[in-house]
Amino acid sequence: DGGITQSPKYLFRKEGQNVTLSCEQNLNHDAMYWYRQDPGQGLRLIYYSQIVNDFQKGDIAEGYSVSREKKESFPLTVTSAQKNPTAFYLCASTQRGVRGIDGYTFGSGTRLTVV
Amino acid sequence: DQQVKQNSPSLSVQEGRISILNCDYTNSMFDYFLWYKKYPAEGPTFLISISSIKDKNEDGRFTVFLNKSAKHLSLHIVPSQPGDSAVYFCAASIAAGGTSYGKLTFGQGTILTVHP
Repeated sequence: DGGITQSPKYLFRKEGQNVTLSCEQNLNHDAMYWYRQDPGQGLRLIYYSQIVNDFQKGDIAEGYSVSREKKESFPLTVTSAQKNPTAFYLCASTQRGVRGIDGYTFGSGTRLTVV
Repeated sequence: DQQVKQNSPSLSVQEGRISILNCDYTNSMFDYFLWYKKYPAEGPTFLISISSIKDKNEDGRFTVFLNKSAKHLSLHIVPSQPGDSAVYFCAASIAAGGTSYGKLTFGQGTILTVHP
């Protein structure tokens, strides 16, 4: 079955550490996105990529980095520069088409906690 | 600047009644709107969408209404069922062209609770 796989489901990070969240899709989607969910703030866009080897900053990119070396993969690194990284992280993908947007497919998320 | 707002953090409805979830937006460039449903610790799932060329779209128990002049959309669920209890997000996008292509802006979400 096609879908998006995020791993790990739960992740604990010590202060000052970088961590990388994995996102893999087998939907042959061109575009991939990283969102962060905090209580009462909805989903906020961190980074997005519309094609391989290209990505754009979203609304809250500071303290994060991404790469898009393969169409299937869009890993997110949470660096030590991110001041408040504890959150629920969601990866999504969508296919470019005439309408462009028939809804994202989301992964099941990664809960990151700083300890 | 919150371009998409869901001003009701929560809504409680009796089973069988209508649930109405509201969403307002400020960016007049938005021309495609979507609703997502989300359970705790899971990713959102697509529910229904509407293009700005329409004012209504229906899919089973779910209907989305768009009032462009008021920059307002609403999701109606009739009849409501306990399994509808979840967080509902509205999202908006500029559907065509430019670097905004495919980028969704989400509201804060509304927690819907449907009581048996």
